[in-house]
Amino acid sequence: GIQVEQSPPDLILQEGANSTLRCNFSDSVNNLQWFHQNPWGQLINLFYIPSGTKQNGRLSATTVATERYSLLYISSSQTTDSGVYFCAVGDTGNQFYFGTGTSLTVIP
Amino acid sequence: NAGVMQNPRHLVRRRGQEARLRCSPMKGHSHVYWYRQLPEEGLKFMVYLQKENIIDESGMPKERFSAEFPKEGPSILRIQQVVRGDSAAYFCASSPTRGTQYFGPGTRLLVL
Repeated sequence: GIQVEQSPPDLILQEGANSTLRCNFSDSVNNLQWFHQNPWGQLINLFYIPSGTKQNGRLSATTVATERYSLLYISSSQTTDSGVYFCAVGDTGNQFYFGTGTSLTVIP
Repeated sequence: NAGVMQNPRHLVRRRGQEARLRCSPMKGHSHVYWYRQLPEEGLKFMVYLQKENIIDESGMPKERFSAEFPKEGPSILRIQQVVRGDSAAYFCASSPTRGTQYFGPGTRLLVL
């Protein structure tokens, strides 16, 4: 299967700071999603972004498929941004391969 | 449009009992996926189903685990004779095609 590596594994930010999360993957993909798992365990879809750039409020994401990586940008972080951010990729098969996540803690 | 629904949200079983986890996909979605998340880990694919068919079960343990998605009603993930190592969060996702997957809130299974 496809290997997915996320960095950094842990991140602590002061409220208001910006951050960049990275996702590297080992093979060509047709699908790529970013998720936020909140402290209650719920998975929230952030972006479906197999290629290109998207923005949604304080969050944006860029995927460079030819170089096999994706970036998630969080600007002006808030305490509610805390949680684990997962990147998941899919090829022509039936499943998503998840990274091990970046655990983000935003402190007031 | 209601999201993916899973129940129960929490399930406690003693070793040797059976666990049944239910997933109702979003309206109009005919593709259902089950994933397992062990503590401190990412999600791992278990099985992919369409109505009445198992399409890919390459991530399912060979014994004790089974899944179905009947013509009527929710998808069921069934774990027989549970062991402590089955304790995990089980997530269901649905999609209208093979693209974006929408995840349910998960079922947290605890085996005593």
